[in-house]
Amino acid sequence: AQSVAQPEDQVNVAEGNPLTVKCTYSVSGNPYLFWYVQYPNRGLQFLLKYITGDNLVKGSYGFEAEFNKSQTSFHLKKPSALVSDSALYFCAVRDVGSARQLTFGSGTQLTVLP
Amino acid sequence: DGGITQSPKYLFRKEGQNVTLSCEQNLNHDAMYWYRQDPGQGLRLIYYSQIVNDFQKGDIAEGYSVSREKKESFPLTVTSAQKNPTAFYLCASRPRGDSNQPQHFGDGTRLSIL
Repeated sequence: AQSVAQPEDQVNVAEGNPLTVKCTYSVSGNPYLFWYVQYPNRGLQFLLKYITGDNLVKGSYGFEAEFNKSQTSFHLKKPSALVSDSALYFCAVRDVGSARQLTFGSGTQLTVLP
Repeated sequence: DGGITQSPKYLFRKEGQNVTLSCEQNLNHDAMYWYRQDPGQGLRLIYYSQIVNDFQKGDIAEGYSVSREKKESFPLTVTSAQKNPTAFYLCASRPRGDSNQPQHFGDGTRLSIL
């Protein structure tokens, strides 16, 4: 079985401050992990992924994520938030070698306050 | 530009009516997916297809049907058996093969009941 949890429905941060959006996962084997962003009434846009290798993954728009195997986490981070980063963020996981398709978290609404 | 086109953007269904949502891609992707998005629940997989003339049920297939007669097209029919069809529907595609490739999404169709 595979699952993913985003424990915070809403995250608020001031512009210019660092931001973190949390994600934890559960898989039987090794994970493929993804972060996507969604703006209102739009589809999801891919930000970054972890497949293997370096635990710190860099992605689009200055975002990065840290894979922590012992804590089964894949938190999304950005050193300095912009108002334009305000959106809905989804973490997703797939168990490598599993026949199951991608499982998405419930999403975290990020609001960056000017 | 390559991408995924979903139409219509907004759709209204009457009681007892079947409606069909269109999804077309020109990315030459083999795999295509349909998701349902409800507030606070993330994305749930309805159906997916890894190759032409073949498709599999996802987690919430009841009340839905699909076809995959062409590589570019993966229409979704919401039947009258789906008692709660109001949602945002997202189509996605991905190159076949290694599942570490991210999915690409269309901009969705919002379905409402009249």
